[in-house]
Amino acid sequence: DAGITQSPRYKITETGRQVTLMCHQTWSHSYMFWYRQDLGHGLRLIYYSAAADITDKGEVPDGYVVSRSKTENFPLTLESATRSQTSVYFCASSDTMRSRPQHFGDGTRLSIL
Amino acid sequence: GDSVTQMEGPVTLSEEAFLTINCTYTATGYPSLFWYVQYPGEGLQLLLKATKADDKGSNKGFEATYRKETTSFHLEKGSVQVSDSAVYFCALSDSGGANNLFFGTGTRLTVIP
Repeated sequence: DAGITQSPRYKITETGRQVTLMCHQTWSHSYMFWYRQDLGHGLRLIYYSAAADITDKGEVPDGYVVSRSKTENFPLTLESATRSQTSVYFCASSDTMRSRPQHFGDGTRLSIL
Repeated sequence: GDSVTQMEGPVTLSEEAFLTINCTYTATGYPSLFWYVQYPGEGLQLLLKATKADDKGSNKGFEATYRKETTSFHLEKGSVQVSDSAVYFCALSDSGGANNLFFGTGTRLTVIP
C-alpha cells in the first residue's frame, strides 16, 4: 500500500550518540518534511526537501542533518544527540509545493537519556 | 510572523454533546487554514480545510468557517462520538510560497460514553 513509513517507531539512546530516523514514501512525492512534536509547541518544521539533493532548513534545524539521495527516502540524523531532542518526530510528504495538506507518517518517539 | 492560537485543552465532553474548539490566526497575507486530527499512536490526518475568506470546510460531521474579519477558524461538531477522541490541530499555510504549515499547540478532546 502507498504511504509513508517511519522507522524505528521507538528509540532510546544516550546523550552524544548519533541516531538516524528513517522515512520512506511510496507516492514519489517531490516534497518531504521532518517535524518534531513537543508539548506546548504543536509541530515545528525541522527540515524539508523539494526534490532529490535539494534540502532546506525549517524553523528548528540546529543539531539535525538531512539528506535526500533518492526521492523516496528522507533520513534525519542527530549527529550528537542531546536531551532537548527528546521528542516525537513526524515525516510528511506532498506532491507539489502548493499541494497542502501533507501526508504524515505514524511518528518516531525518541528518548535521549 | 504567521501564527495560530488554539484554545487550551483538554476538553472532555459527553457523547452527543456539541463541540467547539477555538482557533485564531495571525498572518500578513491570505493564508489557507486547516484542521488536522491525530488519533492515539498515529500521525496527523487532514480533517478539513478552507482556502479563502468565508469558505466552509467540512468532513465527518465537523465544520469550520474561515472568518477573515475575526481571523478565526473555529472547529465545530453538533454531536460528538467516543471515536472522535483525539488531538486536534489548527494550522495555517502562508501564501508566500514557502512550503510550510504553522501549527497550533493542539487540543486534546476526550468523549465519554
